[in-house]
Amino acid sequence: AQSVSQHNHHVILSEAASLELGCNYSYGGTVNLFWYVQYPGQHLQLLLKYFSGDPLVKGIKGFEAEFIKSKFSFNLRKPSVQWSDTAEYFCAVTAPGTYKYIFGTGTRLKVLA
Amino acid sequence: NAGVTQTPKFQVLKTGQSMTLQCAQDMNHEYMSWYRQDPGMGLRLIHYSVGAGITDQGEVPNGYNVSRSTTEDFPLRLLSAAPSQTSVYFCASSDPRGLNTEAFFGQGTRLTVV
Repeated sequence: AQSVSQHNHHVILSEAASLELGCNYSYGGTVNLFWYVQYPGQHLQLLLKYFSGDPLVKGIKGFEAEFIKSKFSFNLRKPSVQWSDTAEYFCAVTAPGTYKYIFGTGTRLKVLA
Repeated sequence: NAGVTQTPKFQVLKTGQSMTLQCAQDMNHEYMSWYRQDPGMGLRLIHYSVGAGITDQGEVPNGYNVSRSTTEDFPLRLLSAAPSQTSVYFCASSDPRGLNTEAFFGQGTRLTVV
């Protein structure tokens, strides 16, 4: 069965620190990969997505992610976090043309001002 | 363009009560789904629908029913609420045409069962 692992459950950083959140998936075929962000009390919003092409994907708010097929990974990065990045981040995978998203358990990021 | 609309945003139920969580989308998406979000467990799929008149169970369907009479609406019914159903519920929709299946989420319903 498909699964998504996010190894960092809680991350605390100071402002301006660099961020990398890990995401690994188990699925042998072609995949679509997503990072969603959930700010406190809000719904999930798409941060970035990978369908095909350049494995380095740039999203909103300075976030980027790199798809490494050989490692089944899609790690999220940001060079310098801000207090407003405090949120929960979810990695998700789905097969192209399908509806079933498989979500990771999420990473709670807290950025200290 | 409203996207995905969920109502209510908050609800408190007593054990054994029933209720329906509403979900509507105006993007003409074929796929709709319901997830529950619990701390440390991410989002788990409850039920999904691939089109009007077609529904199926997801990962955690027990205690929930759904129907899909129109493309726009996908209500989730709790027949007899239990404290274990205390959670945040999200409805999502996506368009399966082509390869880009980005999901759009509603604002969520925070349900407490006492």
